[in-house]
Amino acid sequence: DAMVIQNPRYQVTQFGKPVTLSCSQTLNHNVMYWYQQKSSQAPKLLFHYYDKDFNNEADTPDNFQSRRPNTSFCFLDIRSPGLGDAAMYLCATRKDRATPGQYFGPGTRLTVT
Amino acid sequence: AQRVTQPEKLLSVFKGAPVELKCNYSYSGSPELFWYVQYSRQRLQLLLRHISRESIKGFTADLNKGETSFHLKKPFAQEEDSAMYYCALSTSGTYKYIFGTGTRLKVLA
Repeated sequence: DAMVIQNPRYQVTQFGKPVTLSCSQTLNHNVMYWYQQKSSQAPKLLFHYYDKDFNNEADTPDNFQSRRPNTSFCFLDIRSPGLGDAAMYLCATRKDRATPGQYFGPGTRLTVT
Repeated sequence: AQRVTQPEKLLSVFKGAPVELKCNYSYSGSPELFWYVQYSRQRLQLLLRHISRESIKGFTADLNKGETSFHLKKPFAQEEDSAMYYCALSTSGTYKYIFGTGTRLKVLA
């Protein structure tokens, strides 16, 4: 089945130790998104790509970086995780401008110790 | 600033009762509104979008620009409707989405 896959589902990292979360899609969608969701809060958009064009939200901390080496893969790098970065990280895709719905991955729950 | 408000964190109804999940938005342009649902241990999935004017699983939602609302309704709730529901706004000309904080719907037997 075509889908959005996130690995790992659970990630534990130490305070200040860089961590990378990955997302892949078999949908061949042009747009890929990263959201951060903390407990009882709305998913918050961190950044998105339209193809290779990167769009950063103004309030996304510099500590968060992203890479999209090809259509299928997108990575979220947290350079120096703090305790406040513990959250669920959601990857999503969207086909194109004409198709507004998003497809979500299952999420990666990040714990910072 | 664009904002989506879902005033109820939790809504409990009995099976067979009508359901209305409230969503209000703040946006000066032409919005695209969506409802997403997350069942237990499953991923977020698109339920409805306002431009489609469709009914999915018995749910409907009408965009009211005068009241800036996009409430989700179902005339007769089922136990399998129990889930987390998120309202989302996409601003015209962008690929960005703004989500509300969600409403947990519990349908009681």
